[in-house]
Amino acid sequence: DAGVIQSPRHEVTEMGQEVTLRCKPISGHNSLFWYRQTMMRGLELLIYFNNNVPIDDSGMPEDRFSAKMPNASFSTLKIQPSEPRDSAVYFCASSLEATGKETQYFGPGTRLLVL
Amino acid sequence: GDSVTQMEGPVTLSEEAFLTINCTYTATGYPSLFWYVQYPGEGLQLLLKATKADDKGSNKGFEATYRKETTSFHLEKGSVQVSDSAVYFCALSPTGNQFYFGTGTSLTVIP
Repeated sequence: DAGVIQSPRHEVTEMGQEVTLRCKPISGHNSLFWYRQTMMRGLELLIYFNNNVPIDDSGMPEDRFSAKMPNASFSTLKIQPSEPRDSAVYFCASSLEATGKETQYFGPGTRLLVL
Repeated sequence: GDSVTQMEGPVTLSEEAFLTINCTYTATGYPSLFWYVQYPGEGLQLLLKATKADDKGSNKGFEATYRKETTSFHLEKGSVQVSDSAVYFCALSPTGNQFYFGTGTSLTVIP
C-alpha cells in the first residue's frame, strides 16, 4: 500500500518566485496535515484539513502561504512570493479520523531552498 | 493548553547502552500518546503509541508506558544499536485530530 506521496522531493528557487508543493494522502484517509520543519523552530503545524475542509490554519505564517484540498486525494501548499526564510522541509501527513486519536502517517517531505 | 515536553538532546550513547528519553505531557481528558522517529533525510514514522493509562506501547525493542499519575510517557530501550541513531519525537493527541509534537531528541549511537 502506497504511503503519503509528496512532490517535488527537492525544490530550489529564487526569492519572489511562486512555489507549489503537492501531497497525495493515503487512500481512505480523511484528514491531512501540512507541517514545516526547521532547525530553529522544530516541527510546526501549518494547517490541517478534515474531509477536504480546512479546520485550523492558525499555523500558516502569513498571507503568502495558502493551502487547498480540492478532493480527497490531493492537496497543495503554495508560497507566493517565496522568501529565503521559507527555506525548510515541508511534510504532509494523513490520518483516518475515527476516534480523533488516530496515528498520523508522514510523507518523505519536500526540501525547499529559497535563494 | 495541551503540550508535551521532552528531554533536550543531543544524546550520545555507546552501542548496547540503555536508553531513556523523557517525555511529560499536559492535557485535559484522556489523550493518546505517541513516539515518532525520524531517520536522516526521511519523514517521521510512528514508533509506538498508547491510547489509555497504564498501556505499554512497544516496537523494535523500544517501550513506553502511559503513566497518568506522573503525566509521563518515557521512551526506553535496553540495548541500543547504531541503526537507532535518529531524532525521536514525543507527541500527544487529545481529541479531534489535534496533534502536539515535542521538540525532538537527537540520538547518536557510536560503535
